[in-house]
Amino acid sequence: EDKVVQSPLSLVVHEGDTVTLNCSYEVTNFRSLLWYKQEKKAPTFLFMLTSSGIEKKSGRLSSILDKKELFSILNITATQTGDSAVYLCAVGGAGNQFYFGTGTSLTVIP
Amino acid sequence: GAGVSQSPSNKVTEKGKDVELRCDPISGHTALYWYRQSLGQGLEFLIYFQGNSAPDKSGLPSDRFSAERTGGSVSTLTIQRTQQEDSAVYLCASNIQGARETQYFGPGTRLLVL
Repeated sequence: EDKVVQSPLSLVVHEGDTVTLNCSYEVTNFRSLLWYKQEKKAPTFLFMLTSSGIEKKSGRLSSILDKKELFSILNITATQTGDSAVYLCAVGGAGNQFYFGTGTSLTVIP
Repeated sequence: GAGVSQSPSNKVTEKGKDVELRCDPISGHTALYWYRQSLGQGLEFLIYFQGNSAPDKSGLPSDRFSAERTGGSVSTLTIQRTQQEDSAVYLCASNIQGARETQYFGPGTRLLVL
């Protein structure tokens, strides 16, 4: 059965801390791995990863994929209160379907 | 450019009534997805459209749920005889093609069944 597992389920940190969010997957016919930030309703796109070992960066956020070990991490450095959100990992598999994890809820305390 | 839009943004209905949720994808996006997100849960895949056809309906939780798409654009998700467990946020997403492309999400419809 295809699945995506995220950890931790929730995380509380102080501003300025660095956090690492994890996403492991077992998905047939892997196509891509996506990270989203969900603050209210609509998830907003962060990164799409298709190749192992190539880090993608956007400001304080970065992500990397390991297709051999079947996982990805999302790093956020120098966290700010605006980073508080649920971070979703999704994996594109066979049949054009995307499988989502349950997300990691991040709370950044001032 | 316009993003994915959904309507209504909120819907409160009584148990047993039918509801229709609408999704307008980004213009030119051929693939359209419906997801359900219950409180504190991840996104649950419901159905996927490529053009007007739905090659993957595997996620529809029961025969009370149906969806259609016309003109390769607007899609409606219909829930018949709603139950309280149908209460959730229903999210729509679209992309240019299914393979490898990221999805762009609409703001969702929050459904509450009393």
